[in-house]
Amino acid sequence: GAVVSQHPSWVICKSGTSVKIECRSLDFQATTMFWYRQFPKQSLMLMATSNEGSKATYEQGVEKDKFLINHASLTLSTLTVTSAHPEDSSFYICSAETGSFSGNTIYFGEGSWLTVV
Amino acid sequence: SQQGEEDPQALSIQEGENATMNCSYKTSINNLQWYRQNSGRGLVHLILIRSNEREKHSGRLRVTLDTSKKSSSLLITASRAADTASYFCATDASNNNDMRFGAGTRLTVKP
Repeated sequence: GAVVSQHPSWVICKSGTSVKIECRSLDFQATTMFWYRQFPKQSLMLMATSNEGSKATYEQGVEKDKFLINHASLTLSTLTVTSAHPEDSSFYICSAETGSFSGNTIYFGEGSWLTVV
Repeated sequence: SQQGEEDPQALSIQEGENATMNCSYKTSINNLQWYRQNSGRGLVHLILIRSNEREKHSGRLRVTLDTSKKSSSLLITASRAADTASYFCATDASNNNDMRFGAGTRLTVKP
């Protein structure tokens, strides 16, 4: 079945540095990918919708200059956390949407743990 | 903003008992999905129920959908310790193509 891969699974970075998280659809093309973040014991919050070849659509309250999203190809979207701070430490999950005759299906990656020290 | 709201927030039961979790949402939807998440891990898709369906089964899982009340329930029968996880409902709203998650129910099944 369809698989969405995220990399890295775990990353620790120093405060003030930037870190990039990749989201790949391995056996299907995804014109739309979604990025979520999840704080411990909380739900997933949609951060942005990533559209191939165009600018991402950010949810209210999400800083677009802080969380840079690039969807350069139909199988890859990247989320770059710029000038990371400890409060950016979170679990980031992407999902990718694929269409079929029976409707669209969304597949989730395994997530990426970001710890900013 | 989040779409779904699950209740209870936390549920603790003994192995073998049934667990029922509820989800309410606010807008019209195309479908509603239930996911499971083990601590610190990604999401595992459990079941999808479309807006024109009222009930669906998958193994020990039973999902109902009441669009008039904008609510859904997930029943896990004959629970096992391995069912311990957080369970989320997510809605695919009619007016957009993203998914919104509820706060989740943390289920603990004691052996």
